[in-house]
Amino acid sequence: AQSVTQLDSQVPVFEEAPVELRCNYSSSVSVYLFWYVQYPNQGLQLLLKYLSGSTLVKGINGFEAEFNKSQTSFHLRKPSVHISDTAEYFCAVSERGQFNKFYFGSGTKLNVKP
Amino acid sequence: EAGVTQFPSHSVIEKGQTVTLRCDPISGHDNLYWYRRVMGKEIKFLLHFVKESKQDESGMPNNRFLAERTGGTYSTLKVQPAELEDSGVYFCASSQGGTGANYGYTFGSGTRLTVV
Repeated sequence: AQSVTQLDSQVPVFEEAPVELRCNYSSSVSVYLFWYVQYPNQGLQLLLKYLSGSTLVKGINGFEAEFNKSQTSFHLRKPSVHISDTAEYFCAVSERGQFNKFYFGSGTKLNVKP
Repeated sequence: EAGVTQFPSHSVIEKGQTVTLRCDPISGHDNLYWYRRVMGKEIKFLLHFVKESKQDESGMPNNRFLAERTGGTYSTLKVQPAELEDSGVYFCASSQGGTGANYGYTFGSGTRLTVV
């Protein structure tokens, strides 16, 4: 069965520091990988996605993620965070052949402090 | 273009009552999805409509949940009777026909349901 693990439920970080939010998944088939962000009182917004090709993908707001097939990971990174990045971040996976369904992780709350 | 609209944004009901959640997808989006997040856990798939047809309802927890999408436009999700464990945030999403999750959905802001 498909599963997505976000080990860190909360990540506190100071403004302008780098951050990495971890995501690991398990699947018996090839997958597509996504990161979504939810700002307070808003819906989920797509940050970036990996479908194929280069394993390093860049998204909006300076975020990037790297797909590592051998480690089944898709960690999200940003070299310098801003207060406005405070939000909850969700890793999601869809399986090839069943692409109309996402499997989400439990979310990571990023708290950027001044 | 207008986004995915959900209402109400919040609902508090007593155990045993009925609640109906509504989702208006982006105009022209054939695919409509319902997801639920319970108790700060992972967001879980409930079901998928293609136009007015249920394509996949494997995530519906039990027969107290009924989803409809009459005319292939807006969708409703009814919970009857509601139980305490139904509390959570219900998200709706839509996507254009044929694209599905590959290209990312557009999500609504969710309905926070609290059953007391």
